[in-house]
Amino acid sequence: EVQLVESGGGLVQRGGSLRLSCAASGFSFSSYSMNWVRQAPGKGLEWVSYISSSNSTIYYADSVKGRFTISRDNAKNSLYLQMNSLRDEDTAVYYCARALAMIQDYWGQGTLVTVSS
Amino acid sequence: EIVLTQSPGTLSLSPGERATLSCRASQSVSSSYLAWYQQKPGQAPRLLIYGASSRATGIPDRFSGSGSGTDFTLTISRLEPEDFAVYYCQKWSTFGQGTRLEIK
Repeated sequence: EVQLVESGGGLVQRGGSLRLSCAASGFSFSSYSMNWVRQAPGKGLEWVSYISSSNSTIYYADSVKGRFTISRDNAKNSLYLQMNSLRDEDTAVYYCARALAMIQDYWGQGTLVTVSS
Repeated sequence: EIVLTQSPGTLSLSPGERATLSCRASQSVSSSYLAWYQQKPGQAPRLLIYGASSRATGIPDRFSGSGSGTDFTLTISRLEPEDFAVYYCQKWSTFGQGTRLEIK
């Protein structure tokens, strides 16, 4: 069974940093691209970042470019999102999702990031 | 950048009725990358349809997708109580704003 479990969310001050993790199991993690997608409270879905299976291709949404860094450790079956210079508008539930091209076929349960002044 | 516009914003129907949800792209898109997701309150989204018309694993056949170019449709043939949720279309890095399907 495919499982994705996010962790690392919490309350952080504006301008601060946070590192999210996603632990994957039930599939060959190193064979799949991965995405981070977020959802602000009461709002729709927003794609954040993509990383290919071998780390060779990375994309970011314009809203996070230069502030967020996606990475992965295939030996640990883990995906990460380093978030710096956090803003109020980064407050959201962050989901990691397995990718088939840019289609997310499995999602984690999400981790809430709250940016407070 | 492509914009996906979903309509209606809210759809009020009764169980057993047919639901038709629309997703319109601001420019022609390859149907290969058009997906639909369902999200229930407090839950993560779930993939329903990919490639515009292929059902994801475990998705009941009352869900179907169609369309090409700029106009795509998700159809639920006979609504079950568990189908009332928010539905999103997606192409590459862009999501539509969602359609809320509520019980009438």
